[in-house]
Amino acid sequence: KQEVTQIPAALSVPEGENLVLNCSFTDSAIYNLQWFRQDPGKGLTSLLLIQSSQREQTSGRLNASLDKSSGRSTLYIAASQPGDSATYLCAAFPTSGTYKYIFGTGTRLKVLA
Amino acid sequence: ETGVTQSPTHLIKTRGQQVTLRCSSQSGHNTVSWYQQALGQGPQFIFQYYREEENGRGNFPPRFSGLQFPNYSSELNVNALELDDSALYLCASSRGVTSTDTQYFGPGTRLTVL
Repeated sequence: KQEVTQIPAALSVPEGENLVLNCSFTDSAIYNLQWFRQDPGKGLTSLLLIQSSQREQTSGRLNASLDKSSGRSTLYIAASQPGDSATYLCAAFPTSGTYKYIFGTGTRLKVLA
Repeated sequence: ETGVTQSPTHLIKTRGQQVTLRCSSQSGHNTVSWYQQALGQGPQFIFQYYREEENGRGNFPPRFSGLQFPNYSSELNVNALELDDSALYLCASSRGVTSTDTQYFGPGTRLTVL
């Protein structure tokens, strides 16, 4: 059974710092892994989707990597800004069973001005 | 660009009542998946509908039921509401049920049960 874990649960950093959010999954049999941003009380905004055949994806100041063999993905945020404050969720798309996302519980990020 | 819409945005019900949430899928998509996100948790899969048939279900009791219509829009119905049903309900649509069919999420419906 696929399980997704995100550490740390919460993170507070000063503005301008580069930071890494971690996501681990127990079963490497995934089709893709997706990172989402969620603002308080809002829905999910897709940030980056990495297919199982890919190692990383980049969008602006965001870079996500995927290492299926170790069951890990990282989201790198460069030069963090107060507007980056949100909860970041990762979700794995397993190859078995119904095609559905398995989510972690998220990392709550606060960037201090 | 998602194109997935949900209604209503917010809803308040009392324990024991019934509720219906609605989801319009993105154009060209025939699959809708529903997720429940409790406060402080990640979304949990409820069920999926593909071409008007249920195509998989998570660990939710039968009082959670759904429908998909010929235009591929979908409803989530919850009977006999409990306090723990208070959550953000998300739907996601996709072109199909293969591994390459990415799910696109809607903005969610916030349900509060008093």
